[in-house]
Formats: sequence, C-alpha cells, structure tokens
Amino acid sequence: GQSLEQPSEVTAVEGAIVQINCTYQTSGFYGLSWYQQHDGGAPTFLSYNALDGLEETGRFSSFLSRSDSYGYLLLQELQMKDSASYFCAVRDAKAAGNKLTFGGGTRVLVKP
Amino acid sequence: NAGVTQTPKFQVLKTGQSMTLQCAQDMNHEYMSWYRQDPGMGLRLIHYSVGAGITDQGEVPNGYNVSRSTTEDFPLRLLSAAPSQTSVYFCASSSGRMSSYEQYFGPGTRLTVT
Repeated sequence: GQSLEQPSEVTAVEGAIVQINCTYQTSGFYGLSWYQQHDGGAPTFLSYNALDGLEETGRFSSFLSRSDSYGYLLLQELQMKDSASYFCAVRDAKAAGNKLTFGGGTRVLVKP
Repeated sequence: NAGVTQTPKFQVLKTGQSMTLQCAQDMNHEYMSWYRQDPGMGLRLIHYSVGAGITDQGEVPNGYNVSRSTTEDFPLRLLSAAPSQTSVYFCASSSGRMSSYEQYFGPGTRLTVT
C-alpha cells in the first residue's frame, strides 16, 4: 500500500514563506503531485515532480528527494488568497497514471 | 471547453435509496476517476477508468459501481445508500499520455444520506 504524511495546519502572515512537507511510503514510486483546494471548491493542480530537485512555478516551488521519500511545497510571498488546503499525492509506478493516493492535506491560514 | 462537469451539485438521500452521480468531460481524456472527500480529510479513490470499457477499483470501492461506455462519461452508482456515504464526491479526468500527470477535477457533488 501507499501512505503519505503532511502537517495538518500551518499559519503564517502575508508576505511570509511557508514550507509544507510530505513524506511518503509506496511500493513503487513514479511521481509526486501537489494540489490546492479552497474551501468549498475543487482541487486544482499546482505542480509535479518525477525527478529529484526543485521545480519553480511563480511564487510556488516544489521539491523532491526520492532517496528520502520526501517532498515539499514552498509558498513564497504569501497572499490572503493562498489560504487553502494543500494536498500531496503519489503516483505508483506499477499502477495506472490516474491511480493517485492523496495525503490528508495541510490547511494554510494566511493572516494580515 | 466546459472541462469536467458533475450533476447534481447537491443531493439528499434516505438510507437504502440508490442513485447515480453523473460525470462528463469534453477534453477527450482517456483517464477518469471518482474520489470521495470527507470533512477535513484528503481524497480517497473509489473507482477509476483508463479508457472506455475498462474500469478498476480504488481504495474504497464498496457500495459503489461504475461503468464507462464512452470516453466522455463516467457515472458513479450508489447501490443502497448508507449514512457512511455522506461525503463530497469529485470526478476527475486526465490524459492517458505517459508524460501527462495533471488531473482536472469537476466541481463536486455534495451528498447527504439520512
């Protein structure tokens, strides 16, 4: 089976930097994705890492270390609109591409 | 493109009733999936499909059936609703290309079983 661990909640102020860690256990790893979900909304894709290293997309970056079974999402220059839940998800190398396992989510609260 | 659409948006059922949640996508995606999300929790995979006529079970398939007769549609059937199935249900689709990894989610169906 697969399992993912991420913190349940993080609070920060506008303009700050937040790092959301995700550790995973899987029988065969293919890639790690991150999704954002605002209250009452649908998850939306943020980033994907299949190889070790940092992927940067605007204010958000995602990092992966396959040897440590660990990744993180970095939110920079926090804005009020970044208040949302963030989920990491793993894709198993032995399964179909849409067979994802999601973590429990990290709720990020941005304060003025 | 409308993307992924789901109907209904809200539904209240009595225990033992059956119903079908509809999901359609207009992006010609091969892959489609159904997830449920309980309050304050992550998404759990119910069933998924890698193409028309092909479906498989996810993490929590009991009490649900699916079929995929066309590329566009992937309905989820609740056979005999139970209060434990009260949840928000999301349908998602993605391209079947090996290089593709982004899933597109529908707006969700909020189901309450009394």
